[in-house]
Amino acid sequence: EAGVVQSPRYKIIEKKQPVAFWCNPISGHNTLYWYRQNLGQGPELLIRYENEEAVDDSQLPKDRFSAERLKGVDSTLKIQPAELGDSAVYLCASSLEFGRNPLYEQYFGPGTRLTVT
Amino acid sequence: AQKVTQAQTEISVVEKEDVTLDCVYETRDTTYYLFWYKQPPSGELVFLIRRNSFDEQNEISGRYSWNFQKSTSSFNFTITASQVVDSAVYFCALTGGGNKLTFGTGTQLKVEL
Repeated sequence: EAGVVQSPRYKIIEKKQPVAFWCNPISGHNTLYWYRQNLGQGPELLIRYENEEAVDDSQLPKDRFSAERLKGVDSTLKIQPAELGDSAVYLCASSLEFGRNPLYEQYFGPGTRLTVT
Repeated sequence: AQKVTQAQTEISVVEKEDVTLDCVYETRDTTYYLFWYKQPPSGELVFLIRRNSFDEQNEISGRYSWNFQKSTSSFNFTITASQVVDSAVYFCALTGGGNKLTFGTGTQLKVEL
């Protein structure tokens, strides 16, 4: 069974430029998560989707970050414009869950390492 | 608010030694779930275990074992007879309602020959 796929694996951009990350979850997983992991820290949730609906985006900096999951499968996270402080690893995860049932573990992709210069 | 504390930033052991990674959590939820994840150098977090707040039985899986103690709000992870392949960053995480995982800052484990 294929795992969570993310691309690109690495991205280097100059500040003020836009950038986008793509994630394809495990087949059949209805819940998708985007996390940001700063160096030496644990991942922090940015947004959670149940199918195509964003059910928790309270931690997403909405002035510059946006995300979509139009058909309830793959998802794109965008930053525009990027700032130096956005340098981090962006992780995507998926799980099979319904409602607020936390019984199902989250499976993570390899992440995209973003460097903003 | 939920909080997970992993006080050990880095641990170095020699292969075949036993090692325990500490995790202390804070939550106001009466029902919650605790997790351990492994993050090898490749970057992908690998799920190791899930434990709910009503099940305080310790669990053993091969060389891995977990000790959950509600009285001290701890969920410690022990690797017996460590191997070089165990070298990674290990994260403890917590969720109550809403599926939002709160991670600790991680413990870097280095196993040397």
